[in-house]
Amino acid sequence: QQPVQSPQAVILREGEDAVINCSSSKALYSVHWYRQKHGEAPVFLMILLKGGEQKGHEKISASFNEKKQQSSLYLTASQLSYSGTYFCGTVNAGNNRKLIWGLGTSLAVNP
Amino acid sequence: DGGITQSPKYLFRKEGQNVTLSCEQNLNHDAMYWYRQDPGQGLRLIYYSQIVNDFQKGDIAEGYSVSREKKESFPLTVTSAQKNPTAFYLCASSPTSGGTNYNEQFFGPGTRLTVL
Repeated sequence: QQPVQSPQAVILREGEDAVINCSSSKALYSVHWYRQKHGEAPVFLMILLKGGEQKGHEKISASFNEKKQQSSLYLTASQLSYSGTYFCGTVNAGNNRKLIWGLGTSLAVNP
Repeated sequence: DGGITQSPKYLFRKEGQNVTLSCEQNLNHDAMYWYRQDPGQGLRLIYYSQIVNDFQKGDIAEGYSVSREKKESFPLTVTSAQKNPTAFYLCASSPTSGGTNYNEQFFGPGTRLTVL
C-alpha cells in the first residue's frame, strides 16, 4: 500500500533538471509532495487532486496520472536550496482519512 | 503567527521511563497527527485525531498513547512498553473538509527523543 518512490537518491549540479516518481499499486484519490531538509520538519509543496492535474511551485512542478496510479515531481534548473529529501504521500480512493508516505528521495544539488 | 509548536526540541530519558511530548497548534485545525521518523526512513503514523475527544491508532501505535482533550493540543506519551523509542517525532495538523483528508499537513519542528 505504501507508494514507491524512484530514484532513491539523486545528485545534481546547480542548474540541472530532475524527475522524481511516485507510484502506487492502488487507485489514488490524491498525491501530496513535501520536502524535508536535514533535521527539519517536512514542508508542503503541493497537492494534486485530479487525474491529469499539474501544479507548479516556482520551478518545481508535478503531474498526476490517475490511470497509471503515479505522480511525478519535476525540478527545473535546480538551485542549491532544492537539496533535501522529497516525500510523496498518497491518499487511496476509498480511504480518505490517511496519508500514506513513501520512503523519500534524497536530492543533493552541488555548486 | 499561526503554527504548530512542539517541545522540547531534544529530550533524553532513561530506559523504562514514560515521557510525554507536547504538541500545540493555533491554526484552528480539526485534525492532528503524530509521526515517527527513523534515520533514512519515511514518516510512520503513530496516532491521529480528526476531532476533539476522538483519536485512532496509526500503523505503529503499540507502546504509545495520546489524548485530545482540546482542539489545540495533542500530546503523545511514549511508554516504557515501546521497545525502541529513540527517534525523531513529528506532530502535524490539517484542516478537514467533510471528514476527508486531502488538505496539506502542517508540521511542527519535531522532538528528537533519545532513550539511554
